[in-house]
Amino acid sequence: ETGVTQSPTHLIKTRGQQVTLRCSSQSGHNTVSWYQQALGQGPQFIFQYYREEENGRGNFPPRFSGLQFPNYSSELNVNALELDDSALYLCASSLRAGVMTDTQYFGPGTRLTVL
Amino acid sequence: DAKTTQPPSMDCAEGRAANLPCNHSTISGNEYVYWYRQIHSQGPQYIIHGLKNNETNEMASLIITEDRKSSTLILPHATLRDTAVYYCIVRVADTAAGNKLTFGGGTRVLVKP
Repeated sequence: ETGVTQSPTHLIKTRGQQVTLRCSSQSGHNTVSWYQQALGQGPQFIFQYYREEENGRGNFPPRFSGLQFPNYSSELNVNALELDDSALYLCASSLRAGVMTDTQYFGPGTRLTVL
Repeated sequence: DAKTTQPPSMDCAEGRAANLPCNHSTISGNEYVYWYRQIHSQGPQYIIHGLKNNETNEMASLIITEDRKSSTLILPHATLRDTAVYYCIVRVADTAAGNKLTFGGGTRVLVKP
């Protein structure tokens, strides 16, 4: 069974640029959630995708957007990068079956530095 | 989701049991208690979750009080590799009501030789 993978591991961008982060969900999982973790803080929920549609969003501006593909992998796109976007970006996958809550399993994260 | 309160840090001795408390006095009847841990600069690792009954798996045990207002995560034989930040999260058991994890400050656990 393959776990959650993310790419790239590290990334350095400059202010104003755009970035795309990628996530492959764990085998058999159909839901992907994205989190941002600033240094010294707990992860903050960005949004979740289920069946290729956004299903819940945290307090993040529209320049944070995402996609989920038919194979359940996902992308996080951030436009017009700001210095405060520097963080560890975490992807978590889960299997949603019915209405009961599902357990999210995290990938190793992508460390984004904005200069 | 209900708010949780955890001590900011605690030490424990290698080989001894580590008991991590969590207060969730405003928990609702349809909310689960989840525990994750995060080793430095890695993604959070799922440990265990429960609703009412005590739970045990290969990593830990979860003891939930009868009134469900608090819980304790027990690492039976702590090792140096258990040094991490441990997060207690209360989460509604209905995906239609939202499926996010809300992380608080967690407890920074240091296992000492």
